[in-house]
Amino acid sequence: AQTVTQSQPEMSVQDAETVTLSCTYDTSENNYYLFWYKQPPSRQMILVIRQEAYKQQNATENRFSVNFQKAAKSFSLKISDSQLGDTAMYFCAFMMAGNTPLVFGKGTRLSVIA
Amino acid sequence: DTGVSQNPRHKITKRGQNVTFRCDPISEHNRLYWYRQTLGQGPEFLTYFQNEAQLEKSRLLSDRFSAERPKGSFSTLEIQRTEQGDSAMYLCASSPQRGPHYEQYFGPGTRLTVT
Repeated sequence: AQTVTQSQPEMSVQDAETVTLSCTYDTSENNYYLFWYKQPPSRQMILVIRQEAYKQQNATENRFSVNFQKAAKSFSLKISDSQLGDTAMYFCAFMMAGNTPLVFGKGTRLSVIA
Repeated sequence: DTGVSQNPRHKITKRGQNVTFRCDPISEHNRLYWYRQTLGQGPEFLTYFQNEAQLEKSRLLSDRFSAERPKGSFSTLEIQRTEQGDSAMYLCASSPQRGPHYEQYFGPGTRLTVT
């Protein structure tokens, strides 16, 4: 069975600064997808960024980027130029190829401080 | 609004009562997922459908839980004889079966409180 571990229950960052959220996972599969989802307070979960395991290039989406280390089974999220609206729970998630159910980590609560 | 919708948004019930939740996915999405999220935890998979076929059920889904998607469109999740441990946020998500993105789109959830 696949597992996802987020070792940082809470983090805080000053606005305009950079923060990195950690995620490790365990799988014996070779073809899979990794995601970071954001869940703002009392609002629904939205996708931040995705990474296909077969791609060596790290995914980027505007201020969000990942550091995907396949051999180490590590998938960290870097948020640059943090904004107050980035305050949320962030979940790392794993999915096997074939659009199967997601396996989530426990989440990291990020607070952006003015 | 073309997103995933869920009703009701909140449900308070007494222990032992039955409850039913509804999820309306994005119209062209043929995969629909149910997850449960308790306080301070990430969502946990319960079950999912491809069109009207239920493809997988988690071991978390006890006999008191049943889910349907009769016409391959909306889905219902019913909990019979609710227990206090059923208190959680129940999330629904949908996605297309194929495609390059494999993104699951989530609804706002139904928060269940069992007293």
